[in-house]
Amino acid sequence: QQQVKQSPQSLIVQKGGISIINCAYENTAFDYFPWYQQFPGKGPALLIAIRPDVSEKKEGRFTISFNKSAKQFSLHIMDSQPGDSATYFCAARWGYQKVTFGTGTKLQVIP
Amino acid sequence: DADVTQTPRNRITKTGKRIMLECSQTKGHDRMYWYRQDPGLGLRLIYYSFDVKDINKGEISDGYSVSRQAQAKFSLSLESAIPNQTALYFCATSDRQGIPDYNEQFFGPGTRLTVL
Repeated sequence: QQQVKQSPQSLIVQKGGISIINCAYENTAFDYFPWYQQFPGKGPALLIAIRPDVSEKKEGRFTISFNKSAKQFSLHIMDSQPGDSATYFCAARWGYQKVTFGTGTKLQVIP
Repeated sequence: DADVTQTPRNRITKTGKRIMLECSQTKGHDRMYWYRQDPGLGLRLIYYSFDVKDINKGEISDGYSVSRQAQAKFSLSLESAIPNQTALYFCATSDRQGIPDYNEQFFGPGTRLTVL
């Protein structure tokens, strides 16, 4: 099963708060888990990626938490800012650079 | 990303018409992809190509065809457009280097296609 299930579909967070987006998968053959960020009118762009043998990866205010046994991973955005308002896609790599994307989460950070 | 360009950016067409979406890249990448984005469905892979002589179907290839004219050019065609092909289409590229690390996919700005 190549699906990646993503929730919530939309999220509203106050400025300074923590935004959390969750994803789950079934296929244990997935070997990399990237997150992409998409601003309106633009194509998605890589935000951060993690391997399944790592439990956490942090880049600035963005952290991926990975639970291999539960087949779940999540994106945490600390101190969320209005400029973080975008659509976020989790994804999983399989079969030599093919990537399956989640359904997306539209994040709105309000002042 | 300005290194991946798509033309046209917007297109309105009628049912039954043939339409071609074009993608060009200056990143020197071997791998190119076509995705469509629909609200609530995320990004779905239509076709991908790992080099000029390699074309592969993705998860939703029915009704579409592609042509890899050169390393830098990858075109998507709708032979007879239908309304449920109305969507946002993205081209993407990635480099072959870096395996087993993650090779980022670089996306173009998208083409918004409306089929009436």
